[in-house]
Amino acid sequence: QLQLQESGPGLVKPSETLSLTCTVSGGSISSSSYYWGWIRQPPGKGLEWIGSIYYSGSTYYNPSLKSRVTISVDTSKNQFSLKLSSVTAADTAVYYCAGTINDAFDIWGQGTMVTVSS
Amino acid sequence: QSALTQPASVSGSPGQSITISCTGTSSDVGSYNLVSWYQQHPGKAPKLMIYEGSKRPSGVSNRFSGSKSGNTASLTISGLQAEDEADYYCCSYAGSSFWVFGGGTKLTVL
Repeated sequence: QLQLQESGPGLVKPSETLSLTCTVSGGSISSSSYYWGWIRQPPGKGLEWIGSIYYSGSTYYNPSLKSRVTISVDTSKNQFSLKLSSVTAADTAVYYCAGTINDAFDIWGQGTMVTVSS
Repeated sequence: QSALTQPASVSGSPGQSITISCTGTSSDVGSYNLVSWYQQHPGKAPKLMIYEGSKRPSGVSNRFSGSKSGNTASLTISGLQAEDEADYYCCSYAGSSFWVFGGGTKLTVL
């Protein structure tokens, strides 16, 4: 059974780069059966799609974040990662990684809270 | 891309049925049969309840059903139970491998 787990710093300073990793277990990150994504949720607010990466390595980003986002895959570690540069307080949120099987976000990690503050 | 429009809140009594709407545009909901619905309890990760507009993942109660008409998708929960009280989010494919979520609806079971 596919499981995902986010990891990374819970506190990031303004203007720095937020870096998170999602470890996949129960399946291969290289499988053509899945693709992977990041979604965030500011405190008390709704969900926002950040971007997705396919087994081919192709990436797609939310246009509102595109200039600051990079998603990549490390097949040797069965992980995929998120980097968000030049963060501000508006980037404070719970960040979720998710796996897509049925053209939906089928499997979710538990989420990790990231606070942007000096 | 603009967020899909959902009512901020809906409520119902145990045993009743409720419907949550999700309005998009001809560029997202209206163009693709790829609307999904998620249930989120406080402090928990979202859980997929409906995909491809009306399909239920294994393990999801058949009290949950989805439909679409034009640019509006809907989630119906029948036989409301106390455990259904949660936030619900819709999500639609918007072309070019982009996805857009709704603003979320808080369901209260009276």
